Amino acid sequence: DAMVIQNPRYQVTQFGKPVTLSCSQTLNHNVMYWYQQKSSQAPKLLFHYYDKDFNNEADTPDNFQSRRPNTSFCFLDIRSPGLGDAAMYLCATSRDFLPVEQYFGPGTRLTVT
Amino acid sequence: AQRVTQPEKLLSVFKGAPVELKCNYSYSGSPELFWYVQYSRQRLQLLLRHISRESIKGFTADLNKGETSFHLKKPFAQEEDSAMYYCALNYGGATNKLIFGTGTLLAVQP
Repeated sequence: DAMVIQNPRYQVTQFGKPVTLSCSQTLNHNVMYWYQQKSSQAPKLLFHYYDKDFNNEADTPDNFQSRRPNTSFCFLDIRSPGLGDAAMYLCATSRDFLPVEQYFGPGTRLTVT
Repeated sequence: AQRVTQPEKLLSVFKGAPVELKCNYSYSGSPELFWYVQYSRQRLQLLLRHISRESIKGFTADLNKGETSFHLKKPFAQEEDSAMYYCALNYGGATNKLIFGTGTLLAVQP
């Protein structure tokens, strides 16, 4: 009965080699978010989609892109991963905007070698 | 700029003792605050939000605008309360964008 699913749970990539992380949801929520969480730090919002409308945070590096081909799926693409991009990446959804609950996936831990 | 501060990385208490996890925020608008919790090997999940004024698993949190605080409290800690607790602020207004604190690890000793 998993509601927000992230694949893979662990991803190892090489410096500079593009990588894609996947998120899917069974909740039919309008909004999907991507957060980056580095070790011992707070989760940090990278961007979000409201339906097909994309919103990038001002300080999200250009190296990070996202795609949402349909309501259920959202992808995080890192075009040229650097060592500093090693982190846990969390996907979350919410039914709508306003101060409602966000539902989180288990995260994908990215290692860059 | 908006900010959420959780000053304690680790809080260790004995079972049955009172718990207070501190959260302070900085925000120019009307704050909407949440506590999220992550139990061992589980995903991050909502514990409570200030607009609901509810008590979940014995936890309560009161928004104090004068002190810009949203501390999480429980009168008697249980071992199953051991987890990572994150305070979060909705800084996006209607867009529900969250900024998180760095979290406090609560360890309840038997």
